[in-house]
Amino acid sequence: SQQGEEDPQALSIQEGENATMNCSYKTSINNLQWYRQNSGRGLVHLILIRSNEREKHSGRLRVTLDTSKKSSSLLITASRAADTASYFCATDAGGNNRLAFGKGNQVVVIP
Amino acid sequence: NAGVTQTPKFRVLKTGQSMTLLCAQDMNHEYMYWYRQDPGMGLRLIHYSVGEGTTAKGEVPDGYNVSRLKKQNFLLGLESAAPSQTSVYFCASSSTNRTGRTDTQYFGPGTRLTVL
Repeated sequence: SQQGEEDPQALSIQEGENATMNCSYKTSINNLQWYRQNSGRGLVHLILIRSNEREKHSGRLRVTLDTSKKSSSLLITASRAADTASYFCATDAGGNNRLAFGKGNQVVVIP
Repeated sequence: NAGVTQTPKFRVLKTGQSMTLLCAQDMNHEYMYWYRQDPGMGLRLIHYSVGEGTTAKGEVPDGYNVSRLKKQNFLLGLESAAPSQTSVYFCASSSTNRTGRTDTQYFGPGTRLTVL
C-alpha cells in the first residue's frame, strides 16, 4: 500500500522561485527519504531524514519532518530549469530496507 | 562503477508471451528490488531479495517470478504476459542495513514494457 502521499500533485513555477511540496504518511517511521525522477529516467536519492531529526539541508534542498503530524516537506530554493522533475517521498515499509513510495509531485520550472 | 543497469530498455510483447528482465549491480549490495511504475500510482514493489539465493514477495507479486542466482543479478520473469503488465519496471539495490533502519536505494534506468 502507498505510505507517502505528496501534496500538491503538480507545481509550475518560474526559475528563481522556491518550490515546496509536502508528504504525509500513516504509520510510525524510522526515516523518510525524498527522491527525484527526471522524465524517462530512474529515481535518484536526494535526502534522508531520520525520525529523531526535524530539519535537514543539502545544498538548495531543505527537508522538514513533523512526526506528530506524520508529515514532511521538501523545499527547493532558487529553482532552476534543471529541477524540473517528479519528486517522491518514501518511508520504510516492513523491514528488509523496503520502501513505500508516494504518488509523486511533478514540478515544472519555467526558464 | 556502472551502478544499477537494466536490460532491455524497451520491449513489446503479445499477450501470453514470456520474457525476462535483467538487473545487474556492481556495488556489492545485498538487497535488490523490482518495482513497477504506472501513471498516478507511484512505485509499487513486486518482489525483492535480501541476498543471493533468496527472494520474497512484495506488494504486487502476481504474474511475476524472480530469481537471484548471483549476488549481482536479479531477474524478473513474466511467464504469460497480460496487458495489465504494461508498465515501466525499475530495479533498485541497497546495502545491508544491520541497524534495521532503511537506507538509500539506487535505481536503474528502467525498462518500458508494452503488452499488446
